[in-house]
Amino acid sequence: DAGVTQSPTHLIKTRGQQVTLRCSPKSGHDTVSWYQQALGQGPQFIFQYYEEEERQRGNFPDRFSGHQFPNYSSELNVNALLLGDSALYLCASSLQGAREQYFGPGTRLTVT
Amino acid sequence: GESVGLHLPTLSVQEGDNSIINCAYSNSASDYFIWYKQESGKGPQFIIDIRSNMDKRQGQRVTVLLNKTVKHLSLQIAATQPGDSAVYFCAERGLTGGGNKLTFGTGTQLKVEL
Repeated sequence: DAGVTQSPTHLIKTRGQQVTLRCSPKSGHDTVSWYQQALGQGPQFIFQYYEEEERQRGNFPDRFSGHQFPNYSSELNVNALLLGDSALYLCASSLQGAREQYFGPGTRLTVT
Repeated sequence: GESVGLHLPTLSVQEGDNSIINCAYSNSASDYFIWYKQESGKGPQFIIDIRSNMDKRQGQRVTVLLNKTVKHLSLQIAATQPGDSAVYFCAERGLTGGGNKLTFGTGTQLKVEL
């Protein structure tokens, strides 16, 4: 049984560009959350998807958007990239309302 | 506002000793407090959690203590091993808005010396 998977592993983009990150949840999970982890910091909640809708959102600008597909996989899109968007982006999956969230290995995004 | 903070950024212990990692929180509305372990190049891994109406919970070699009076959470690791070297985060789960958003602290680096 595969855990949470994310792609790509690493990504380098230029300021102003757009990026799409992908996440496949753990088998049987229906809820996907995205977190941004800056170097030396704890993960910061971006948003959560359930039943293909954004259910909860953290303090992130509209440049950050997402999508959940019928198979529960999810994408995170970031437009007009800034240098400060450089971070590890983590995807976590769970069953709706469950307290334990399983994290993927993350996508390391570098904006130059 | 919500915040979860840690007292020490780095903790060094000798192999075989017990480790204690502390955390302070400010949101009294959280229903669960959770400890995660993050090794280099990996995502956070669930260690143990405690419900807000409990004071203590034990797992395998780990114990979590919750003091609601002073809003303090601690993780105790018995007989610390080299494989325990990692960054440890406390997190709180809030159920507002119908989701299970986690709010993390900044982390404590645990270094196990041989």
